[in-house]
Amino acid sequence: QSVLTQPPSASGTPGQRVTISCSGSNSNIGSNTVNWYQQLPGTAPKLLIYNNNQRPSGVPDRFSGSKSGTSASLAISGLQSEDEADYYCAAWDDSLNGVVFGGGTKLTVL
Amino acid sequence: QVQLQESGPGLVKPSQTLSLTCTVSGGSVSRGSFFWSWIRQPAGKGLEWIGRIFTTGSTNYNPSLKRRVTISVDTSKNHFSLKLTSVTAADTAVYFCARESSSSLLYYQYYMDVWGKGTTVTVSS
Repeated sequence: QSVLTQPPSASGTPGQRVTISCSGSNSNIGSNTVNWYQQLPGTAPKLLIYNNNQRPSGVPDRFSGSKSGTSASLAISGLQSEDEADYYCAAWDDSLNGVVFGGGTKLTVL
Repeated sequence: QVQLQESGPGLVKPSQTLSLTCTVSGGSVSRGSFFWSWIRQPAGKGLEWIGRIFTTGSTNYNPSLKRRVTISVDTSKNHFSLKLTSVTAADTAVYFCARESSSSLLYYQYYMDVWGKGTTVTVSS
């Protein structure tokens, strides 16, 4: 059971906009910033969004992040086949004094 | 740019100690304000944070693993290490090392911006 809650799956067709939610509590998302990671099949995770809504250099602006209260969201617009991957949210948890991850969302591009 | 590479035994017997090393290239494990972290992922499952060590040597551990985990840094070899004692089959996973960076240097605003490729560790007799 993950501390941060994500839907196990999401899907969309090419060109569509998809959002993935991440729900937490006051001790993690409510107090601290959220990061998102993309894990393509068989590879290591890659930083996609940091500090709630910042994109590292090289990440397309099709990817965006937001946070409100104890929840965060990752939005992917103009969905492409290469976006098919697992997506994880993460944040620092003040109660656990550690990093907590969401359970991951498997995105399928139909 | 900074690259990370995990290394260590791929097979560990139950009750023994799992030891992994993450070698840092293109940067120094002792310079800057970075955390050096370990994360694992059982086959078909999600990511689990194990712990991290700051460049000063201070550590944070996952409370569920804290009793069995030690993360250390060897500045002479420019690598950091993970030791996990008393392993069981539940510790079988792909183990990743990562660098955590922050633009604010606030401990709760770090993010994992560089990852190793991961190494598979199986616990079995």
